[in-house]
Parts: sequence; structure tokens; C-alpha cells
Amino acid sequence: DIQLTQSPSSVSASIGDIVTVTCRASQSVSQWIAWYQQRPGRAPRLLIYDASSLQSGVPSRFSGRGSGTDFTLTITNLQPEDLATYYCQQGNSFPATFGGGTKVEIQ
Amino acid sequence: EVQLVQSGAEVKKPGESLKISCQGSGYSFLAYWIAWVRQVPGKGLEWMGIIFPGDSDTRYSPSFQGQVIISVDRSTNTAFLQWTSLDASDSAIYLCARYRGMNHNHGMDVWGQGTTVTVSS
Repeated sequence: DIQLTQSPSSVSASIGDIVTVTCRASQSVSQWIAWYQQRPGRAPRLLIYDASSLQSGVPSRFSGRGSGTDFTLTITNLQPEDLATYYCQQGNSFPATFGGGTKVEIQ
Repeated sequence: EVQLVQSGAEVKKPGESLKISCQGSGYSFLAYWIAWVRQVPGKGLEWMGIIFPGDSDTRYSPSFQGQVIISVDRSTNTAFLQWTSLDASDSAIYLCARYRGMNHNHGMDVWGQGTTVTVSS
């Protein structure tokens, strides 16, 4: 199975800050990385697919980049509603796998 | 509106069987892969397996192969996740999700609300 390692596991930031989450794959996943936001008590929500494509309806302050084994999710101008846990997921090969998650807290 | 609606919470005893459901609407159900994802409260997401409703092609994570059965009823646009003998370790929230696009590379864009399964004697 392809392992996805996210860092940091948690981050605390202020409104308006830039937050960057990293996802590293144990082997190349090409561009087949998706990023999800899971707010407390809610189902996950797709933010980014194919490493850098913004899902319809997602604010443009979310962006993704990377290819191969190293990927980042960046949240610019952090908002109160961005309080959530963020997961990366690879769709390159079976079984699909998720990263361990990054909890974003608002200071 | 494109949506997946899951069946309600379940409380079961160890050794009992269970089948939970995920009904799709608002889109061509047969044309998109459906995934099942487990989440133990307070923990991360675990991909269990997927099914393509059009032809019932099914893939399982090795971690769940032989532990659960994924199936589909095309007449009701419903996917199922089934256990024949539950264990306390199966207590979790189970989420179904639709893969974006017609293959399984592009992430999951529609999610059910989750079904909480509690297994306790």
C-alpha cells in the first residue's frame, strides 16, 4: 500500500494567515492526489483533485500543488470556517489511502 | 440535487450480521464508482473498497477483504456494506462517497452523511 504522511499533524493560526499542509507519498502517485476538509461532526468535503484542480464551489483561497511524491495544500487568508481537519488521499493505485490528517485550529 | 443518503444508526451485538445502505439520486448512479470509508470517532479516514454499479466490479482494501461485502442494487440505485459477523472493533462511522468522474483517480466529490455502527454486548 502507498503510505501518505501529512505534516504537521496540527497547526494553530490566526485569521488572515497562510497555512500550508504537506503530504508525502511513499512512492510516486503521479498527480492523483485529492485534498479533503472535514469539519467537526461533518462528512469530508472535496477541495482539490488531481493535485491542483479546485473543486467547484470551493473558495479560491484553497490551492494545491505537487506531483510525484510531494504535495501541498495551501490556505491563504485563513477564515473561521476553515477550522477543520484536512486529509490528502491518493488515487494512483489500489488500495486508495488517506493521510493521517492535519487539524487546523484558529488562534 | 446530487446526493447520497445513508441508512440510519445501528446498534448490534457481537456476532450479529448487518447490512447498511447508501442510495444515490440526482445523477446517473450506474456510471460512477462508489466507495466506502471507515472512521473511528476521533480518528482518521480508512478506505475500505469501491464498487462500480454499472457492472458490480468491486475492489477491496486488503485490510477489509474478507471482513465485509460491498454490493449494489441497480434497481434502487443503492450500494450496500455488509457484515456477516460483527465484532466490537467494527464500531465506527461508515461513509459512502461517489468518485468524481468515471474512474477512481480523481477524488470523491459527493459524500453520504455517514452511518454510525455500534457493536456492544
